[in-house]
Amino acid sequence: GAVVSQHPSRVICKSGTSVKIECRSLDFQATTMFWYRQFPKKSLMLMATSNEGSKATYEQGVEKDKFLINHASLTLSTLTVTSAHPEDSSFYICSATPGQASHNEQFFGPGTRLTVL
Amino acid sequence: AQSVAQPEDQVNVAEGNPLTVKCTYSVSGNPYLFWYVQYPNRGLQFLLKYITGDNLVKGSYGFEAEFNKSQTSFHLKKPSALVSDSALYFCAVRDAYSGNTPLVFGKGTRLSVIA
Repeated sequence: GAVVSQHPSRVICKSGTSVKIECRSLDFQATTMFWYRQFPKKSLMLMATSNEGSKATYEQGVEKDKFLINHASLTLSTLTVTSAHPEDSSFYICSATPGQASHNEQFFGPGTRLTVL
Repeated sequence: AQSVAQPEDQVNVAEGNPLTVKCTYSVSGNPYLFWYVQYPNRGLQFLLKYITGDNLVKGSYGFEAEFNKSQTSFHLKKPSALVSDSALYFCAVRDAYSGNTPLVFGKGTRLSVIA
């Protein structure tokens, strides 16, 4: 199957700093990528849809100024958590789908564990 | 609107016994259905999907799922559980005509296989 990578896998930062998470599709091009957040023992919460060359579409309740998404190329999307606070600590996962067909599965990155002290 | 229900937060099964993880869905059109597995501190791994055709779909690691249109269900099954199957399982749906929209996930079911 297609491969999606994320970097870093784990990051610890101080409150008030910004953290950038990268999501790459390694063997396919992805015009659309998705960013999820997962709380402990909870389901996935879709944060935003990242569109190559255009603005991201954020889900209701997600602060677009806090969670900046940039999809600068067909293989890279970045999520920047700005002025991070302890409540932003979570597991962030990205995913992408090869092509545009609705029957294609989403492939997920391995996730990034963010801890804000 | 699309939605997925996984009625069980936790499923416990003895090693070697058959397992079932339940999933029901709701879509306005025809459903495309997916199962994923997540191991601790990992992303989701694709197991199998139903698009069309045979209602019984076979996937990775010996898992299979049966699409039942009348019951709007897509239960995940395995004839003989392994301890290594212990993980978090997610069912997901997408309307067939929705294009490359994000999958809608259930809340997940934690499977625990006991030796």
